[in-house]
Amino acid sequence: SSDLTQDPVESVALGQTVRLTCLGDSLRKYAASWYQQRPGQAPVLVLYGQNRRPSGIPDRFSGSTSGNTASLTITGAQAEDEADYYCKSRDFSGHHHVFGPGTKVSVL
Amino acid sequence: EVQLVESGGGLVQPGGSLRLSCAASGFSFSGYWMHWVRQVPGKGLVWVSGINSDGSSTRYADSVKGRFTISRDNAKNTLSLQMNSLRAEDTAIYYCARESGGGNVDWGQGTLVTVSS
Repeated sequence: SSDLTQDPVESVALGQTVRLTCLGDSLRKYAASWYQQRPGQAPVLVLYGQNRRPSGIPDRFSGSTSGNTASLTITGAQAEDEADYYCKSRDFSGHHHVFGPGTKVSVL
Repeated sequence: EVQLVESGGGLVQPGGSLRLSCAASGFSFSGYWMHWVRQVPGKGLVWVSGINSDGSSTRYADSVKGRFTISRDNAKNTLSLQMNSLRAEDTAIYYCARESGGGNVDWGQGTLVTVSS
């Protein structure tokens, strides 16, 4: 299947750690990338490749993949991390990109 | 500074056509895959189409294949999306994005397409 699944909602206390997951068979073959989207704004890449962060993304964002599951961990969540987070990968052919449905993260 | 600026969105009737453009600056445009991603307001991101660096290879989501055409003009640093036979379900914000290292590293602010009679 080319579908990616994500939990719709996660909450985390300020300063604590939250782990977001993305499940999909294609993750066994292709790497995931992760995007943060705040309300009314364009998405921002926060993680790609093998746990690579674009410049300007804090090191509290980290990632890993095991089997069919990719994970984004926010260690020491801040108020500004409250946003929707989407994973992205490819279908098995590699020709089509696929986004997960997104996880809404609330920082309490 | 990388900039991607979309234009061309608007209101169009079902069955109509629209051409979106994305003006790129701040990077070597001809060196990267480029993509269109859309989002119904309040909903998730959906990949629409991608094109390789020299325009020789294109990819489309099944939902738009045969109706949308992606193209690029590397001399003018411009990405385009020709949308024909538009349907109500094509209503969305359309973003252009630059791909690097497997991630969409830069995004425009989006242009809204509304398909309605």
